[in-house]
Amino acid sequence: EIVLTQSPDTLSLSPGERATLSCRASQSVSNYVAWYQQRPGQAPRLLIFDASTRATGIPARFSGSGSGTDFTLTISSLEPEDFAVYYCQQRSNWPTFGGGTKVEVK
Amino acid sequence: QVQLVQSGAEVKKSGSSVKVSCKASGGTFSSYGVSWVRQAPGQGLEWMGGIIPIFGAPNYAQKFQGRFTITADSSTGTAYMELSSLRSEDTAVYFCARVRVPSAIHDALDLWGQGTMVTVSS
Repeated sequence: EIVLTQSPDTLSLSPGERATLSCRASQSVSNYVAWYQQRPGQAPRLLIFDASTRATGIPARFSGSGSGTDFTLTISSLEPEDFAVYYCQQRSNWPTFGGGTKVEVK
Repeated sequence: QVQLVQSGAEVKKSGSSVKVSCKASGGTFSSYGVSWVRQAPGQGLEWMGGIIPIFGAPNYAQKFQGRFTITADSSTGTAYMELSSLRSEDTAVYFCARVRVPSAIHDALDLWGQGTMVTVSS
């Protein structure tokens, strides 16, 4: 099983700041990484697939990068609705998710 | 516009089984696959398995092989997941989600159901 390790566990930032979230795979997953946002009490929402392609309707402030084992989700300027938990997922092998990064208000 | 609508919350005894449905409201699954993902209280997401309803053959994460069954009725646009021999650690929210790419079983999940809370009590 491919293990995804997300860091940091929690990111404390203010609205308008830049958020940088990391996801590291235990072995190469090519570019087969997706990112999701989950707000409290809601289902996850797909943000990015294939490492860097924004899903339909996702604002341009969300961007993804990386390949192989290291991936990054960047939120260029945090809006109030962006404070949530973010998960990465790989589909190179049997799908697995990272443990999540919580982006909270500082 | 297709939405995935799941059945309601369940409370079950240890050792029993639970069956959760996921209906494609406003359309069908067409050739899209459906995955099941669970989330224990306060925890992260865990992929359990998936199926492409028009093909019928499910596949399961190794951890869930044996106790977990996924089925689908493509004529009604409904997928099901059944978990047997329930134990307290199965208490979680269970989500169904559509696989983004038609005819793919493993890909990003672009449309999610609202989730079904399953509580297992002794």
